[in-house]
Amino acid sequence: KQEVTQIPAALSVPEGENLVLNCSFTDSAIYNLQWFRQDPGKGLTSLLLIQSSQREQTSGRLNASLDKSSGRSTLYIAASQPGDSATYLCALIKAAGNKLTFGGGTRVLVKP
Amino acid sequence: GAVVSQHPSRVICKSGTSVKIECRSLDFQATTMFWYRQFPKKSLMLMATSNEGSKATYEQGVEKDKFLINHASLTLSTLTVTSAHPEDSSFYICSALGVAGVPEQYFGPGTRLTVT
Repeated sequence: KQEVTQIPAALSVPEGENLVLNCSFTDSAIYNLQWFRQDPGKGLTSLLLIQSSQREQTSGRLNASLDKSSGRSTLYIAASQPGDSATYLCALIKAAGNKLTFGGGTRVLVKP
Repeated sequence: GAVVSQHPSRVICKSGTSVKIECRSLDFQATTMFWYRQFPKKSLMLMATSNEGSKATYEQGVEKDKFLINHASLTLSTLTVTSAHPEDSSFYICSALGVAGVPEQYFGPGTRLTVT
């Protein structure tokens, strides 16, 4: 059974510092990995999707890497801003059309 | 593109009543939709997978007679919480699977259910 872990569960940084969020998984046979952002009381916003054959994806200040052999993905957010404060979730799909398995999330607070 | 809506966004109901939540894919067809439940400060827990025209597949521990799912068209899935109790109070989120290109799931904004 696939297990997805995100450590730390919460993170507080001063504005301008780079954020590094970790996601680890137990089964390397994945189809793709997705990073989401969730604001309190809101739905999910997809940030980056990395297909199994890819090693990273970038969008603006965000960069996500994927290392299947070590069962890890890392989300980097450069030059953090207070607006980056949210919960970040990683999720995996084992096969096309399958369900997403979510990690527990990391709650991020960026202090002005 | 790829917008998913949910209705209502929040609902308060009394114990013993039933509540229906709709999930719609607005600009694409979705043969598969997923229903998740989220408790405060917790991650999403998959409840069931809904396929158009067939019975939903429920995850272990989810009561199918309590959480009725209907996926009657390629753009609409409904979740009905029957005989709701206070412990059913939660945030319910649906997602729809795109059929073209990369099969990415697109999430709705969620429905906050409070049972009094």
